[in-house]
Amino acid sequence: SQQGEEDPQALSIQEGENATMNCSYKTSINNLQWYRQNSGRGLVHLILIRSNEREKHSGRLRVTLDTSKKSSSLLITASRAADTASYFCATAPKPSNFGNEKLTFGTGTRLTIIP
Amino acid sequence: DGGITQSPKYLFRKEGQNVTLSCEQNLNHDAMYWYRQDPGQGLRLIYYSQIVNDFQKGDIAEGYSVSREKKESFPLTVTSAQKNPTAFYLCASSIANTGPFFEQYFGPGTRLTVT
Repeated sequence: SQQGEEDPQALSIQEGENATMNCSYKTSINNLQWYRQNSGRGLVHLILIRSNEREKHSGRLRVTLDTSKKSSSLLITASRAADTASYFCATAPKPSNFGNEKLTFGTGTRLTIIP
Repeated sequence: DGGITQSPKYLFRKEGQNVTLSCEQNLNHDAMYWYRQDPGQGLRLIYYSQIVNDFQKGDIAEGYSVSREKKESFPLTVTSAQKNPTAFYLCASSIANTGPFFEQYFGPGTRLTVT
């Protein structure tokens, strides 16, 4: 499986409910980032969580990181129709002497909020 | 979509023709990136540039070329050597040239169709 795999691949919930998406990865990371993509648009950065952090909040978003399990979760509380989008996690590896580290994106979770 | 512009939004080309996708940013960011996204897939890195007049191949550079003559601009040429050029192309930038340790800002994307 790829570095940064999201689960589930698709999720449909009623407006007002909470949505949880998970991301698993394989190698040690410097940070993990979550992005949102509306259909046919560019990605928008949501949250960056560093490897020494366990939880971060931004508005209705809560991200957790468990480096022992190599996993992260994104929780969107009180979902709205406007939250309908694809959500991607991306992992940044630990720095190396080569300086050629790259962000690796997962395949995303497609979230649909039903009004 | 921040301060990154990509043009055009839709591009149609005949097989065998080279085509250049534009990416401009006014964020004064050092690093710029080109990604390719296929339906239902995550992003794959084509090329990236950490500083003017320098760029590195990403994971899928074959059939593509780039230049970075100005800090603001990072055009991508899809050559006739690219076997499956039809895709959604995303340009991104980040504040630092120290790898993927900061968030990336994305343009709105260019959808290229080659027939």
